[in-house]
Amino acid sequence: ELVLTQSPGTLSLSPGERATLSCRASQDISSTYLAWYQQKPGQAPRLLIYDTSIRATGISDRFSGSGSGTDFTLTISRLEPEDFAVYYCQQYGISLLTFGGGTQVEIK
Amino acid sequence: EVRVVESGGGLIQPGGSLRLSCAASGFTVSTHCMSWVRQAPGKGLEWVSVTYGGNTYYGDSLKGRVSISRDNSKNTLSLQMNSLRAEDTAVYYCVSYIVRHPYWGQGTLVTVSS
Repeated sequence: ELVLTQSPGTLSLSPGERATLSCRASQDISSTYLAWYQQKPGQAPRLLIYDTSIRATGISDRFSGSGSGTDFTLTISRLEPEDFAVYYCQQYGISLLTFGGGTQVEIK
Repeated sequence: EVRVVESGGGLIQPGGSLRLSCAASGFTVSTHCMSWVRQAPGKGLEWVSVTYGGNTYYGDSLKGRVSISRDNSKNTLSLQMNSLRAEDTAVYYCVSYIVRHPYWGQGTLVTVSS
């Protein structure tokens, strides 16, 4: 069974800082089926990145995705107040669908 | 414009059944990968079921109690859930995957309680 492990569980940063979120797969996965989402309380997940590195429509270029094989990263270059939220990675290419456990980005 | 809209959620007693629907527009459900994902209160995202290429798969949490189906004439996806338990309380999302781009609905809340 494919498992996605996100780290850290919580990231405490200040506005303007850089955030680096990790998503590690338990086996090699295709980079074309890796997505990142942002979720705020009471809202549906919002697609940020798909195909590992393609920004969804309307997503700020402060968000970037990278990686291959088993290690994937979401980077937020300069945190804005609206970026503090929970972030999930998802693969949808191998072993059906899998989500990571999430990383909470909180204000320090 | 691609859009999916869920409906059918509500309050249901333990042991009851519920059918969720997902109305699609801007694409044809019969030719794309479609899935249901849920999120229990305060928890993470969990996939429930996925269908593509004539195949259907179910996650462990609802396996044996759930069935996914498409109605091509109405361009909708459905999720029939039976023998519901309190732990099935969650927001259920319909997700379509079009050229590797996921599209999510806003979700429908299912509350299992007596």
